[in-house]
Amino acid sequence: DTGVSQNPRHKITKRGQNVTFRCDPISEHNRLYWYRQTLGQGPEFLTYFQNEAQLEKSRLLSDRFSAERPKGSFSTLEIQRTEQGDSAMYLCASSLGRSVVSPEAFFGQGTRLTVV
Amino acid sequence: GESVGLHLPTLSVQEGDNSIINCAYSNSASDYFIWYKQESGKGPQFIIDIRSNMDKRQGQRVTVLLNKTVKHLSLQIAATQPGDSAVYFCAESITGANSKLTFGKGITLSVRP
Repeated sequence: DTGVSQNPRHKITKRGQNVTFRCDPISEHNRLYWYRQTLGQGPEFLTYFQNEAQLEKSRLLSDRFSAERPKGSFSTLEIQRTEQGDSAMYLCASSLGRSVVSPEAFFGQGTRLTVV
Repeated sequence: GESVGLHLPTLSVQEGDNSIINCAYSNSASDYFIWYKQESGKGPQFIIDIRSNMDKRQGQRVTVLLNKTVKHLSLQIAATQPGDSAVYFCAESITGANSKLTFGKGITLSVRP
């Protein structure tokens, strides 16, 4: 499978615990995005990496959230001291930046987080 | 299981008919648009894209129309099949920047057999 891969697919955690999700983008895609989607809504932008540099963070990304892409390949999204409002689908997408031919972003299957 | 389409408007069509899904985008500076299909429990799946220098683009069974004057995007699906049942989102972005996507409100397409 050469698509965007996310792990785990599902995560149930108790309020106050920390969680970490992983995203493996399509190889050679230099751009990586994290989005959050709640039921009945479209995905909302959280943050963006070009290679290993985190270039933009949404206001939705509180200080409890941190994302990394240490070697410009896979990325992790960590949520500290989870709250029930963090329950959502966390989606990762990657794209070949500056490509005129294939600029589209491809999404992974997402990680469904439930905070109880 | 959970429904991506919870609380979203629904378009119901008969199998074999053509479907037209409409979207209003928000930023007049957006120059790149994508339609995504999302099935329950899955991530959005790319369907077709269009740049702002075009007003129509065709794919296999799908056509996207762009009207920049009124900031309107539509997706036409020919000969709709049961497998087309899903939630459809349009997304806009500005190329040359970070190209992050801003998604519109989704529409649930329900295909009647």
